[in-house]
Amino acid sequence: GAVVSQHPSRVICKSGTSVKIECRSLDFQATTMFWYRQFPKQSLMLMATSNEGSKATYEQGVEKDKFLINHASLTLSTLTVASAHPEDSSFYICSARTSGGARMNEQFFGPGTRLTVL
Amino acid sequence: GENVEQHPSTLSVQEGDSAVIKCTYSDSASNYFPWYKQELGKGPQLIIDIRSNVGEKKDQRIAVTLNKTAKHFSLHITETQPEDSAVYFCAATYGTGNQFYFGTGTSLTVIP
Repeated sequence: GAVVSQHPSRVICKSGTSVKIECRSLDFQATTMFWYRQFPKQSLMLMATSNEGSKATYEQGVEKDKFLINHASLTLSTLTVASAHPEDSSFYICSARTSGGARMNEQFFGPGTRLTVL
Repeated sequence: GENVEQHPSTLSVQEGDSAVIKCTYSDSASNYFPWYKQELGKGPQLIIDIRSNVGEKKDQRIAVTLNKTAKHFSLHITETQPEDSAVYFCAATYGTGNQFYFGTGTSLTVIP
């Protein structure tokens, strides 16, 4: 149990293109999902916290108009990188947090999406 | 806010030896401490966790210890195998719905 999927796993696009990444909790409901960015050999950098049915909370320095987050259901959150540029190239990882039961408060990660903007 | 420090940043051990990674945290309110293993090009995988009401937890070759007084927790891997080679992250959080605060990671290499 506690599987989180992320799609696509890899995307290469031209500068100026918008890219959408989907994050799904497959076998549990997640009222809270997180989006992270990870640079090579570095830790996870939290970008935003996404709560189902409400606006995402962005960390300081993260442009909300650039990184659009939608958490429309208890199992799906999407991150759209608007008008992507080469500096947006990175490894993006989502996570979903369990909201009840014996495994309450645990966070499970998706496999990540490698974005390369040419 | 919470500050999590992790040491060492890199660790090399011979196959069969033990590996220990240590983390400290600053906020005494933190009550949940997970450990994640991340292989190259993949997302982090939860390998073990501990809550503040216990001092130690073990799962086969992996164990975690927690010292609330000193505000530190450690990951212990015994009888290491080459497939244990990865980056390990510790984290701390409190309550429900709050963000996780991650350590900076430890790159573990198990030499055959």
